[in-house]
Formats: sequence, structure tokens, C-alpha cells
Amino acid sequence: QIALRESGPTLVKPTQTLTLICTFSGFSLKTDSVGVGWIRQSPGKALEWLGIIYWDDDTRYLPSLKTRLTITKGTSENQVVVTLSNVSPVDTGTYFCAHKYYDFASGDGLDAFDVWGQGTMVTVSS
Amino acid sequence: DIEMTQSPSSLSASVGERVTITCRASQNIDKYLNWYQQIPGKAPKLLIYGASSLQSGVPSRFRGGGSGTDFTLTITSLQPEDFAIYFCQQSYVTTWTFGQGTKVEIK
Repeated sequence: QIALRESGPTLVKPTQTLTLICTFSGFSLKTDSVGVGWIRQSPGKALEWLGIIYWDDDTRYLPSLKTRLTITKGTSENQVVVTLSNVSPVDTGTYFCAHKYYDFASGDGLDAFDVWGQGTMVTVSS
Repeated sequence: DIEMTQSPSSLSASVGERVTITCRASQNIDKYLNWYQQIPGKAPKLLIYGASSLQSGVPSRFRGGGSGTDFTLTITSLQPEDFAIYFCQQSYVTTWTFGQGTKVEIK
């Protein structure tokens, strides 16, 4: 059974770097076509796709955050790390990580986030 | 970026009613459209993928349709546990985007 869980600080000061970890189980990020994505949600607002890392280390980012956002595999094989530099209050929100498996060649899997973590709330404030 | 626009932004309905939510893409996205349900305070849950395929474990009263730029999510008979926020999301391009959400409330 696939499960993901986000962890990290709840409060970050403006201009600092936010680092969040997604710890997952039930799948391997070494498996072809698997990806772990990050999504955030400002209070009372819509979901915002931030980026994704794939099994082969390919990463994609939201263009507006590309200069501040980095997604990498963690030191543990079951972790993905996201860093967001130079944060400001607009970066306040709940951050989710989620699983994706979709093989474009075979059509196997779903081109969607099928399992999500519970989310972690981050406040940017001095 | 592909912009996703949902309508209405909110609606009130009674248990047993048929409810339809619309999602429009700013350009053709074929059938690369997913629907999620979010109970406030919880993580989103995938309901429909590929515009019309029901995710495993999701009740059959949820139906997705459409292609190109116009899509619908229909709940054929609203149940108490369906009162939530619904989001559409396109996966046509590598930078995914979500709609702004539709809140379904109890009448």
C-alpha cells in the first residue's frame, strides 16, 4: 500500500530557505515511470502544482518558481526533498507530496497523482 | 501555462440531487483531465483520470466526461459524504495546473 508523509518546519522567516521532506513507502523511486510531485495550497485557495521528480532524476518545475525551487531525491531511498529559497509570506500554505506512475509508451498507470500525503502547513512570518 | 476555469465556484444542493461541475481549459488538452475531491483539512483524493475513467474504489455515482477544452464532473445522486471541494487538473503539458475549485455545500 502506497503512503506518503510530509515533514518539515511549521514556521519559517522571510528570506530563509524552506526545506521539506517527503517520506514514502509502498513503491520505489527507482522504478521506471514513477514520480513524486509537490503541490501547495494557500489558505482557502486553490491547489498549485510546484514540480515533480521522476525515477530517472528528471525534474520539472513551475516556471514562476524555477529560480527558487529544487526537488531532489533524499539520502534515504524512500525520501524526496524540496527546497524553496528566499521565502516570503505568499509562500505560506499547506504543502503536499504525491505519487504518480504513468508509462507513456505502454499507457500503464495513471497520468495523475493517485496517492497524496496528508500535507504539512508552513507559515512564513517574521 | 494552460489555465483551467471551473464553474460554478460554489453550489448548494440536497442529498439525492444530480450535480454537474464544469471545467474549461484555455487550450485543447485532449482527455488529459483529472478530477479530485478535497474534504476541508484533508488531502485531495483522485476521483476521475483521463477525463472519464473512474479511479479504483470511487463510487460509480461520480462520472467524468468531455474532451478538448470542455469537461464535466457529474455526481448522479449526491450523498452526505460528497460535500467537499472539487478540483480539475490538466496533465496535457509537463507543468500541470489546477482549476480554482468548486465547493459543494448542503442546501
